[in-house]
Amino acid sequence: GAVVSQHPSRVICKSGTSVKIECRSLDFQATTMFWYRQFPKQSLMLMATSNEGSKATYEQGVEKDKFLINHASLTLSTLTVTSAHPEDSSFYICSVLLAGAFRAKNIQYFGAGTRLSVL
Amino acid sequence: DAKTTQPTSMDCAEGRAANLPCNHSTISGNEYVYWYRQIHSQGPQYIIHGLKNNETNEMASLIITEDRKSSTLILPHATLRDTAVYYCIAGYSTLTFGKGTMLLVSP
Repeated sequence: GAVVSQHPSRVICKSGTSVKIECRSLDFQATTMFWYRQFPKQSLMLMATSNEGSKATYEQGVEKDKFLINHASLTLSTLTVTSAHPEDSSFYICSVLLAGAFRAKNIQYFGAGTRLSVL
Repeated sequence: DAKTTQPTSMDCAEGRAANLPCNHSTISGNEYVYWYRQIHSQGPQYIIHGLKNNETNEMASLIITEDRKSSTLILPHATLRDTAVYYCIAGYSTLTFGKGTMLLVSP
């Protein structure tokens, strides 16, 4: 499998501040990464698809100006929650797509997640 | 991604096989069946995936029916560490997570 590092694992911030979360692919170059959000006792919800060198594709209902995604290199994608508010408190998880020459090799590997608490 | 249906919860005794069913009757021809699990407060862990043939790896076996409308994930000898929420997903490169099955492995 692939090793995905996500940092920080936990962050507490004041309302109105911005928070940056990093997602790194440690052992292969990832053209595509994904960002998910998970509220307590709910399943993961895809927020956006991040492609290296191009703008991210956001899912319906996700504010692109609030959740800034940058995928400037093949090993790093960042998610910045701008002007965070208590309702943004959630578990944010990234994944990298290991895409092989054949579709049989398309597998997403996930980071450990970042728990954001906005006071 | 095709919709999947899984039981809300299942129990399994430690050391016994855990058989987790999944229904994906609307799966399309190019969609794979993926299984992930999520231990509390961690990111999902990839387990196995397949298209139409049965698959086995060091973690589990995946049995897909011939019509591809359902599948079963088999953990051959469940341990307490296998307690987790198991997600069955029918998709290609994007994954749509449902509610999954909460598997509780007990001593």
